[in-house]
Amino acid sequence: DIQMTQSPSSLSASVGDRVTITCRASQSISSYLNWYQQKPGKAPKLLIYAASSLQSGVPSRFSGSGSGTDFTLTISSLQPEDFATYYCQQSYSTPGFTFGPGTKVDIK
Amino acid sequence: EVQLVETGGGLIQPGGSLRLSCAASGFTVSSNYMSWVRQAPGKGLEWVSVIYSGGSTYYADSVKGRFTISRDNSKNTLYLQMNSLRAEDTAVYYCARVSRDFWSGSSPPYNWFDPWGQGTLVTVSS
Repeated sequence: DIQMTQSPSSLSASVGDRVTITCRASQSISSYLNWYQQKPGKAPKLLIYAASSLQSGVPSRFSGSGSGTDFTLTISSLQPEDFATYYCQQSYSTPGFTFGPGTKVDIK
Repeated sequence: EVQLVETGGGLIQPGGSLRLSCAASGFTVSSNYMSWVRQAPGKGLEWVSVIYSGGSTYYADSVKGRFTISRDNSKNTLYLQMNSLRAEDTAVYYCARVSRDFWSGSSPPYNWFDPWGQGTLVTVSS
């Protein structure tokens, strides 16, 4: 089974900061990597699919990069509504869809 | 509007059974891959099960043999039958469509969960 890790597990940042979250797969998953944002009490929301494709309606300050085993989600200028938990998810080894443990972004 | 609405959660004793429903609107359940994902209180996301458009079904090892995913095409609804429930099954259960990319030429197609339902809480406790 493919294992997913994320770093950091949490971070504190200020509005306007550039934020980078890393996701690593235990084996190569090509570009089969998705990113989700989840706010407390809400369902996850798709941000990025296929490692770098921005989902329709998602602000352009969000971007994704990487392939193989190492991936990055970047928020270029953190906004108040971006404080949330972010999850990566591999879709290479299906039907098992593995999520990373999450990265919580809170206010410094 | 594409939407998913889950119902059926509640408090159930260990060893009991519960059936979750996920009503879809704006698209056809039977033409898509559909999945269940759960989230235990204060924890991360865990994939539970998927049903393919052709009818094949797959499960996480943690629920295999106890949970059954199915759909009713006439009602455009997805289900999760949960038997032999355990305390560790306590979670918010989300249904989600597995959207797939058929235009980039990737093989297999890229796929992701979108949209998601609002979730329904299942609490297994005596």
